[in-house]
Amino acid sequence: DTGVSQNPRHKITKRGQNVTFRCDPISEHNRLYWYRQTLGQGPEFLTYFQNEAQLEKSRLLSDRFSAERPKGSFSTLEIQRTEQGDSAMYLCASSLHRGAGNTEAFFGQGTRLTVV
Amino acid sequence: AQSVTQLGSHVSVSEGALVLLRCNYSSSVPPYLFWYVQYPNQGLQLLLKYTTGATLVKGINGFEAEFKKSETSFHLTKPSAHMSDAAEYFCAVSRGGGGSNYKLTFGKGTLLTVNP
Repeated sequence: DTGVSQNPRHKITKRGQNVTFRCDPISEHNRLYWYRQTLGQGPEFLTYFQNEAQLEKSRLLSDRFSAERPKGSFSTLEIQRTEQGDSAMYLCASSLHRGAGNTEAFFGQGTRLTVV
Repeated sequence: AQSVTQLGSHVSVSEGALVLLRCNYSSSVPPYLFWYVQYPNQGLQLLLKYTTGATLVKGINGFEAEFKKSETSFHLTKPSAHMSDAAEYFCAVSRGGGGSNYKLTFGKGTLLTVNP
């Protein structure tokens, strides 16, 4: 297992364009999380899935943002009509939830988005 | 609601000196606590975590942290700094116990510089 994989690693886009990021979690992990990290800040929670169900969304996730995990495996995060304030590192993490407990969350290397 | 405060956005030590990175948390429920390390343009790597049991937790690369409920603290220490420890360190909290979903709330981070 190669861990959590995110693609692309870097994305530069013009303001107003749509972008989509992909996250492939560790294969047996049923929970998948998206975080956003801006320069000089810690990561901020955006949303998480258990299998294909999106269980929680942060108020940071405006209506321009949508995340999916259609088959309970990989996930995509789409940002429509990008704004310069969307420039950040987008981090994906996964964990295994079973019974009353979870394993720790393992993070991918992130996708750095720059909106020009 | 949960929050994390990391005291000192930048800590500088000499190689071989003690490393102490401070973290205080706020949580209305029993917390799980974590320290992550981030190297430039990389994702987050878990150093150590506290869930239940022993309050002194040992992690990778010689780091350890002690959960002090009375002080709501989870400070990270390493007896002797190495040049390779230079990185940004994040303290994080999640809801503990059976309701844990490993949704993490992070502090703003502490940048550790190690001087030769």
